[in-house]
Amino acid sequence: AQTVTQSQPEMSVQEAETVTLSCTYDTSENNYYLFWYKQPPSRQMILVIRQEAYKQQNATENRFSVNFQKAAKSFSLKISDSQLGDTAMYFCAFMKHNTDKLIFGTGTRLQVFP
Amino acid sequence: DVKVTQSSRYLVKRTGEKVFLECVQDMDHENMFWYRQDPGLGLRLIYFSYDVKMKEKGDIPEGYSVSREKKERFSLILESASTNQTSMYLCASSPSQGGLAGGPHFGPGTRLTVT
Repeated sequence: AQTVTQSQPEMSVQEAETVTLSCTYDTSENNYYLFWYKQPPSRQMILVIRQEAYKQQNATENRFSVNFQKAAKSFSLKISDSQLGDTAMYFCAFMKHNTDKLIFGTGTRLQVFP
Repeated sequence: DVKVTQSSRYLVKRTGEKVFLECVQDMDHENMFWYRQDPGLGLRLIYFSYDVKMKEKGDIPEGYSVSREKKERFSLILESASTNQTSMYLCASSPSQGGLAGGPHFGPGTRLTVT
C-alpha cells in the first residue's frame, strides 16, 4: 500500500521569503502522479501543482515549484516570494496511474507573517 | 471552471439520526469521491464512484454508505450517526484518467457535528 508522509505539521515564513515544505512517499509503482493541494482557512481545497512521475523535469507554477526526487521518493514544494495569501494548510498527495484515487499526507500548516 | 457544491457548510445532528450529505458537480465527471478530513490524519477516502450506480469502498467505509443515481450527484449516507463521525467531509470529482487531467476538484466541505 502507498503511504504519504509530511513530517512538518507547522511552518512559518516571513512575507517575501522562500519556504520549502517536505513530502516523502512509499510505493512500488513506477507510474504515478504527485500533487500539492492548498486549503486556505475556511476555504476550498485547490490544486497548487502536479507532477507526473515519468517526467524528470520538475513542475513549476509561477511562485510554486517542486523538487521531485524519484529514487529518493521525495516531493518537496518550494514557495518563493511568500505572500500573506499563501497562509493555508498544504497537503501532499499520491495517485497511482489509472486509479484516480488520491492518497493524502497529514498536511503542513503554513503561516506567512508580515 | 469546475464547480463542486455540497448541500451544507455546517450540520449538527444527534446520535442515531440518519444523515445525508449531498454533492453535485457540473462538469460531467465520471469519478466522484467522499473524503473525511480530521486534524493530524489528513484526508481519508470513504467511498468513490466511477460511474452511475457504481461504487467502491475506500479506506474507511464503516458506518457509511453512498448513492449515485445520476452522474452529477453523489450522496454520502450515515445510517446511524455517531459522535466519532464528527468531522469535515469533502466531496471531489474528476474525469476518468484524472491524473492526466490535473487531479480531482474539491467542494467546500461540510463540517458535521454529531451530539
